[in-house]
Amino acid sequence: DAKTTQPPSMDCAEGRAANLPCNHSTISGNEYVYWYRQIHSQGPQYIIHGLKNNETNEMASLIITEDRKSSTLILPHATLRDTAVYYCIVRAKAAGNKLTFGGGTRVLVKP
Amino acid sequence: KAGVTQTPRYLIKTRGQQVTLSCSPISGHRSVSWYQQTPGQGLQFLFEYFSETQRNKGNFPGRFSGRQFSNSRSEMNVSTLELGDSALYLCASTPQGSNSGNTIYFGEGSWLTVV
Repeated sequence: DAKTTQPPSMDCAEGRAANLPCNHSTISGNEYVYWYRQIHSQGPQYIIHGLKNNETNEMASLIITEDRKSSTLILPHATLRDTAVYYCIVRAKAAGNKLTFGGGTRVLVKP
Repeated sequence: KAGVTQTPRYLIKTRGQQVTLSCSPISGHRSVSWYQQTPGQGLQFLFEYFSETQRNKGNFPGRFSGRQFSNSRSEMNVSTLELGDSALYLCASTPQGSNSGNTIYFGEGSWLTVV
């Protein structure tokens, strides 16, 4: 799987948008970008995924650059409950259903 | 629709014992994967089962094993427990096949403490 690079931590103000960057410069054409988050002591929660186009759901938006070498997860109005570790994962077709987790970004939403 | 269900949620075992953890995937999901999460190593893939067959395996010793039943429920077993096996064990499921566009959903995990 392509390696991803995320900042280890970031703070965000409650009510403001949180923009979480992820670099995946070695991504291949058929690899998806997935985002999960993990709130302390819970299992990872699926947020969103995309291949080439930008995606939006009820939780977040995913912006993928045209060259696909990086992406940004946007939480439009961060709440205190969004405090978690966010993982950006590139999922290769050859890897099947195996996800390779990196260190993620520890996001702290402050009031 | 119920999510991925793992039992037990918490357990304490003694070194040298063995443990069995259970996972019920989301209804209709046929692929089940297991992960180990520790503070030092993070989230690591253990193995994946599909149609009762192990399809993928991570880099763990043979003490870690699993199986899947015809109803897609899965169990994992750790024998001869060591202190370092203390971890959160996570189960994940996905509908079928290995299409990288299929979303993988996780359960809440089983917390194992080895004393």
